[in-house]
Amino acid sequence: QVQLVQSGAEVKKPGASVKVSCKASGYTFTGYNMNWVRQAPGQGLEWMGRINFNTGVTKYAQRFQGRVTMTRDTTITTAYMELSWLRSDDTAVYYCATNAGGYCTSTSCYTYWGQGTLVTVSS
Amino acid sequence: QSVLTQSPSASGTPGQRVTISCSGSTSNVGSNAVNWYQHLPGTAPKVLSYSNNQRPSGVPDRFSGSKSGTSASLAISGLQSEDEADYYCAAWDDSLNAVVFGGGTKLTVL
Repeated sequence: QVQLVQSGAEVKKPGASVKVSCKASGYTFTGYNMNWVRQAPGQGLEWMGRINFNTGVTKYAQRFQGRVTMTRDTTITTAYMELSWLRSDDTAVYYCATNAGGYCTSTSCYTYWGQGTLVTVSS
Repeated sequence: QSVLTQSPSASGTPGQRVTISCSGSTSNVGSNAVNWYQHLPGTAPKVLSYSNNQRPSGVPDRFSGSKSGTSASLAISGLQSEDEADYYCAAWDDSLNAVVFGGGTKLTVL
């Protein structure tokens, strides 16, 4: 079965960077995009961007351009999201998500999600 | 301020029917598929309706999505206590070149 397993919680200081990993298993990884979505405390879901697992081509949401870098390592079927110049309002739960051959056919539909990684930014 | 507009809250009593709305524009809801998610605290979001009105296997037929023009809706009939959660709509936005989510609707079962 499809599984997305994310790295553990992180505590960072303002100005630092964080790199969250998402290990995928149970499907043909190279055929699909891996998306990253976050939820700040008391806020809604926010799409950060995606990476094509096959080509490595990325697309980022405008507000994260210049601060986010999404990469993947196909040999270990793991996607990464690195966010730099962290601010207190980057405190959030970060999710990886994909449709991975499920029923979803549109770019905003994600059948499978990681368990979430809490990133806390505090001085 | 979310690109897709949802009412912040909705409520109903067990057995009732509740509708959650999602208002967008021609660049998102009006021209792309709308998907609905249920999000319970501490868990990952779950798709309840995809491609405007399709229901994934395993999702009760009490949940139904629809779309008309630049608005979409998620109807929940036969409300149950376990339906208490946050609900989000999502779509691709052609102008922003990004996925946009609604602000979320917190459903309370009274």
